[in-house]
Amino acid sequence: SAVISQKPSRDICQRGTSLTIQCQVDSQVTMMFWYRQQPGQSLTLIATANQGSEATYESGFVIDKFPISRPNLTFSTLTVSNMSPEDSSIYLCSVLGTDYGYTFGSGTRLTVV
Amino acid sequence: AQKVTQAQTEISVVEKEDVTLDCVYETRDTTYYLFWYKQPPSGELVFLIRRNSFDEQNEISGRYSWNFQKSTSSFNFTITASQVVDSAVYFCALSEGGSYIPTFGRGTSLIVHP
Repeated sequence: SAVISQKPSRDICQRGTSLTIQCQVDSQVTMMFWYRQQPGQSLTLIATANQGSEATYESGFVIDKFPISRPNLTFSTLTVSNMSPEDSSIYLCSVLGTDYGYTFGSGTRLTVV
Repeated sequence: AQKVTQAQTEISVVEKEDVTLDCVYETRDTTYYLFWYKQPPSGELVFLIRRNSFDEQNEISGRYSWNFQKSTSSFNFTITASQVVDSAVYFCALSEGGSYIPTFGRGTSLIVHP
């Protein structure tokens, strides 16, 4: 299965600023997903990012707040823009492997103060 | 629409007890995939198992076993002789063959006391 390197692992940010999270995959993958996990909650899908097309956002998430780039089949970024304390969460990227299994990055723990 | 229900929010057991984590799913697709993931306190998601809808064979891996029953739309996970290191949040997930976009249950927090 794919190996994902996600950076940063954690950050503390001031409200009103933006943070860009990177995910690098060790193999080419078509489908990549970005999730948010609020404290004590399950994973909520933010968007699906396929290379060569615009990301598809789930209800409640908008591109202005969570812009995503997917320049190639091994890399993607998620930006959390104009942050507020409510954005404090774990953000995870995930890819769909050829065996139809999902591999996750190690997550980014974001705290907004 | 797909849905995953993990009715147990938290389970507390004493080491060496057996414990079963329940997962009930809903889907209209005939082709789908079911998963279990473990999330220890460190936060990473650890893949445990994947099952496709055409394979109802139960599986055992060491102390872990899974019971997939299409008749009841359930995919339950049993840990035999639990250990403190099993303490984590366990997520059940479902993806439909048409979209491959997974839906996660709310998770069950398992606490194993020494």
